[in-house]
Amino acid sequence: AQTVTQSQPEMSVQEAETVTLSCTYDTSESDYYLFWYKQPPSRQMILVIRQEAYKQQNATENRFSVNFQKAAKSFSLKISDSQLGDAAMYFCAYRIPYSGGGADGLTFGKGTHLIIQP
Amino acid sequence: DTEVTQTPKHLVMGMTNKKSLKCEQHMGHRAMYWYKQKAKKPPELMFVYSYEKLSINESVPSRFSPECPNSSLLNLHLHALQPEDSALYLCASSQEGPNIQYFGAGTRLSVL
Repeated sequence: AQTVTQSQPEMSVQEAETVTLSCTYDTSESDYYLFWYKQPPSRQMILVIRQEAYKQQNATENRFSVNFQKAAKSFSLKISDSQLGDAAMYFCAYRIPYSGGGADGLTFGKGTHLIIQP
Repeated sequence: DTEVTQTPKHLVMGMTNKKSLKCEQHMGHRAMYWYKQKAKKPPELMFVYSYEKLSINESVPSRFSPECPNSSLLNLHLHALQPEDSALYLCASSQEGPNIQYFGAGTRLSVL
């Protein structure tokens, strides 16, 4: 069974600085997807970024980028120019592809609580 | 439009009540999910529907009964719940290809 590990329960960063959140995973699959979701106090789970395992190029979305190391099974999230609105719980998640009618849920890490200090 | 709508936002029920949670999406997604999230914990998968058929039931107690009447609607029927069932219940949907799950804002359930 796949597992996702986030070893940082809490991280703190000054506004406008850069922070990196860590995530490792374990799977025997060769094709899968990795995600970072954020969940602010409003509790809405919001997709931050997605990485397809067969793509070597690291995904980027504006101030958010990932460092995907497939051999090491590592998937870290870098947030540049941190803003107050980035404060949230960040979850790393894994899933196998949904295709051919068969769907699987997300496997989440325990989360990292990100604090942005003004 | 990437919206998944959940109603109600809050629900308080007694242990003998019967209630239902509703989830709706109009994105044409063919997979829909129920997750349970306790405070300060990650979401835990409960059920998965794919093409309106139940494909995954993660050993959830029978007091939780899912239903998928059509491709846009997912219900979770609740009966004889326990106080430990109090949690945030999240619904999500996804489609083949992009494999992104979109979440609703959740229903905060309190069982007294």
